Amino acid sequence: SQKIEQNSEALNIQEGKTATLTCNYTNYSPAYLQWYRQDPGRGPVFLLLIRENEKEKRKERLKVTFDTTLKQSLFHITASQPADSATYLCALDTGGFKTIFGAGTRLFVKA
Amino acid sequence: SAVISQKPSRDICQRGTSLTIQCQVDSQVTMMFWYRQQPGQSLTLIATANQGSEATYESGFVIDKFPISRPNLTFSTLTVSNMSPEDSSIYLCSLSGGQNTEAFFGQGTRLTVV
Repeated sequence: SQKIEQNSEALNIQEGKTATLTCNYTNYSPAYLQWYRQDPGRGPVFLLLIRENEKEKRKERLKVTFDTTLKQSLFHITASQPADSATYLCALDTGGFKTIFGAGTRLFVKA
Repeated sequence: SAVISQKPSRDICQRGTSLTIQCQVDSQVTMMFWYRQQPGQSLTLIATANQGSEATYESGFVIDKFPISRPNLTFSTLTVSNMSPEDSSIYLCSLSGGQNTEAFFGQGTRLTVV
């Protein structure tokens, strides 16, 4: 079955630095991959979608890469701020309308 | 984008009872999805709810335990039946904007079974 792995350890970084989160997947070749942000007590909020034929996607301070050979996506937040502290989820499609999610990586940005 | 109103936001329930979670969407959608998120775990899809037909359940989830209603294109409910402490989790409803687009989520229901 499809499997998504994200670093379960929290990532602690200093304000202003770049945060890099990793998402690895196995047993599937998704047509696209997504990243979501989840704050405590809230549902996930969509951030970025990258398609299999795209190597990189940017949105403001966010950058996502997608390496279909390595089966890996990297999610970068540049010039990080304490407000960026949250859990970030990687998700991929399984065909049709279903989406499966990784467990997420908790990011803490210290002022 | 879509706005999803989910309620209750949280509840504490006695074991053996049932809780019904409601999701209201501000637009008509064909498919709605129900997820469970246990502490520190990923979102796990429970079932897909289509209007006018029975929900499609994922492996490990059954209709008797998680009955779902989908009476129209803007509303769905999930019932967690005969609850036990193992059902303590966050339950989320979701909809998709379509293939190759993002998913939208309700704010979730934090359920604690005592």
